[in-house]
Amino acid sequence: AQSVAQPEDQVNVAEGNPLTVKCTYSVSGNPYLFWYVQYPNRGLQFLLKYITGDNLVKGSYGFEAEFNKSQTSFHLKKPSALVSDSALYFCAVRDGGGSYIPTFGRGTSLIVHP
Amino acid sequence: DTAVSQTPKYLVTQMGNDKSIKCEQNLGHDTMYWYKQDSKKFLKIMFSYNNKELIINETVPNRFSPKSPDKAHLNLHINSLELGDSAVYFCASSQDYRYQNTEAFFGQGTRLTVV
Repeated sequence: AQSVAQPEDQVNVAEGNPLTVKCTYSVSGNPYLFWYVQYPNRGLQFLLKYITGDNLVKGSYGFEAEFNKSQTSFHLKKPSALVSDSALYFCAVRDGGGSYIPTFGRGTSLIVHP
Repeated sequence: DTAVSQTPKYLVTQMGNDKSIKCEQNLGHDTMYWYKQDSKKFLKIMFSYNNKELIINETVPNRFSPKSPDKAHLNLHINSLELGDSAVYFCASSQDYRYQNTEAFFGQGTRLTVV
């Protein structure tokens, strides 16, 4: 069985400061991990994914995520937040042990204050 | 060029009515999905089709019936609409679902309001 948790409903950060949106997962096989962003009244947009290899994955809009196998985490990060980064962020996981459909987290609302 | 497009964007209807939402993708993907996003923004898979064949049917009431006339289209028909069906419905597509490293591309959503 696969599951994913986003422990924070909301993250607040000041513009220019670094941001982190947390995600932890549980799978039986190898994890395939994804981050998506949803702007108001829009569909989800793919940001980045971890498949294998380098633990630090770089994605769109300056975002990156760090895969940590021992902590079963895949936190989303950005060195300097922009007000335009304010959106809803979803982490998703697919279990390489057999699941074909991803499970999405409950989403984290990121608010970047000017 | 919109990769995944769904119509209508907004749908307001009365309880008991039947309605359809259409979805088309021009990405050449083999797999398409319907997701439901509730008022708390929780995203739940409803159906998935691969090359016109149903591969995933989560515990969704029989009032919901997907139809895939070809691999570029996946429509959702809902009979006897209920208040609890009010939500945002997202269509998505991806490469063949068996490629587990493939990401999904989402439409902009259809906000269904049942009154």
